[in-house]
Amino acid sequence: AAGVIQSPRHLIKEKRETATLKCYPIPRHDTVYWYQQGPGQDPQFLISFYEKMQSDKGSIPDRFSAQQFSDYHSELNMSSLELGDSALYFCASSQKQHEQYFGPGTRLTVT
Amino acid sequence: EDQVTQSPEALRLQEGESSSLNCSYTVSGLRGLFWYRQDPGKGPEFLFTLYSAGEEKEKERLKATLTKKESFLHITAPKPEDSATYLCAARLESGYALNFGKGTSLLVTP
Repeated sequence: AAGVIQSPRHLIKEKRETATLKCYPIPRHDTVYWYQQGPGQDPQFLISFYEKMQSDKGSIPDRFSAQQFSDYHSELNMSSLELGDSALYFCASSQKQHEQYFGPGTRLTVT
Repeated sequence: EDQVTQSPEALRLQEGESSSLNCSYTVSGLRGLFWYRQDPGKGPEFLFTLYSAGEEKEKERLKATLTKKESFLHITAPKPEDSATYLCAARLESGYALNFGKGTSLLVTP
């Protein structure tokens, strides 16, 4: 079965640089979620989109922005990167508000 | 304040030794209680959703139950491949986010 696709899988950036993470949801899923997971931590909700509109917002820094496109894929844009942004970033998708299926994640390292 | 608490933090079992993981929640308006399995460096893998007290769901050696205050993940005769971190998460009526607990790290030894 098709799963959530995330790219890139690994990303290394320097402080103050920008990064763009991409997420391709499971076909026919209309809702996309972004989570951040630091080392040894549980996933923290950042933001979600339903039918291309922002549906919920969590602890997403103002330096981050995201959107969902007409083909339902989503991008998380991160600017002025800080060392503390180093984490695993997961995208999840669902059909309406049912169970969320997670992608493999993007490991972001900020040096 | 909405809270999801899992216990124990870590659990070590012998192969075949059954046990239960606990997830207690204090939230205003539960829309669903979710269980995930996460292997190191990988995305959480969906296991179960429970919506109402008294509901039970099973999958292979795992069984999830829900009461008005907590959920249990029962593991029957575990195998080494069941070793992983098990996360529970609450979804509130007010939003889309999953509010995760800190997880239980399970190690099953042969």
